[in-house]
Amino acid sequence: DAKTTQPPSMDCAEGRAANLPCNHSTISGNEYVYWYRQIHSQGPQYIIHGLKNNETNEMASLIITEDRKSSTLILPHATLRDTAVYYCIERDAGGTSYGKLTFGQGTILTVHP
Amino acid sequence: EAGVAQSPRYKIIEKRQSVAFWCNPISGHATLYWYQQILGQGPKLLIQFQNNGVVDDSQLPKDRFSAERLKGVDSTLKIQPAKLEDSAVYLCASSTFRVGYEQYFGPGTRLTVT
Repeated sequence: DAKTTQPPSMDCAEGRAANLPCNHSTISGNEYVYWYRQIHSQGPQYIIHGLKNNETNEMASLIITEDRKSSTLILPHATLRDTAVYYCIERDAGGTSYGKLTFGQGTILTVHP
Repeated sequence: EAGVAQSPRYKIIEKRQSVAFWCNPISGHATLYWYQQILGQGPKLLIQFQNNGVVDDSQLPKDRFSAERLKGVDSTLKIQPAKLEDSAVYLCASSTFRVGYEQYFGPGTRLTVT
């Protein structure tokens, strides 16, 4: 079962920042936080991941709290094409799991004009 | 770089029939995954290959589902016989073993069992 908790849905105005929260209170020291999104009728798409430091790439920023029990994905300037289901996933980057992903229900983000 | 290819994109069969899905991963990706996504839920891992060996098939219903990855490249997932509850999207993904090794997903095959 997924070990993260996300709100089931969120709305955002086009051009504004979308801030998607995720709780992962039982995360262990060797587990990363990964974010994927799934646009309607497509396969999931990797967005970003982090361990304990904040991360930024061309798609988004990831802010992880100091105790690592929660994080926020930030889409700085949301567009209509960012409407999707966003999944926050704990992932063991080592061991024998070979990076297995366990998806939860995710957050449905709707960007409106 | 070509993405993960899957075929067919859609399939409709009757219960108790058999069906097969095909996946061609990104060139050079050693790890291949098959996921099942039921409507309204997140994807669930069915089986994971490392080259042509299985590393995780704990959630694969082995009485009716089978998968193979001959020569460590293409893979097929088969269901025989299909049940109504197998109606879902079947997603294939692949990854390398580099740092981060994010998974790249194909478009999926939508299976409807009637």
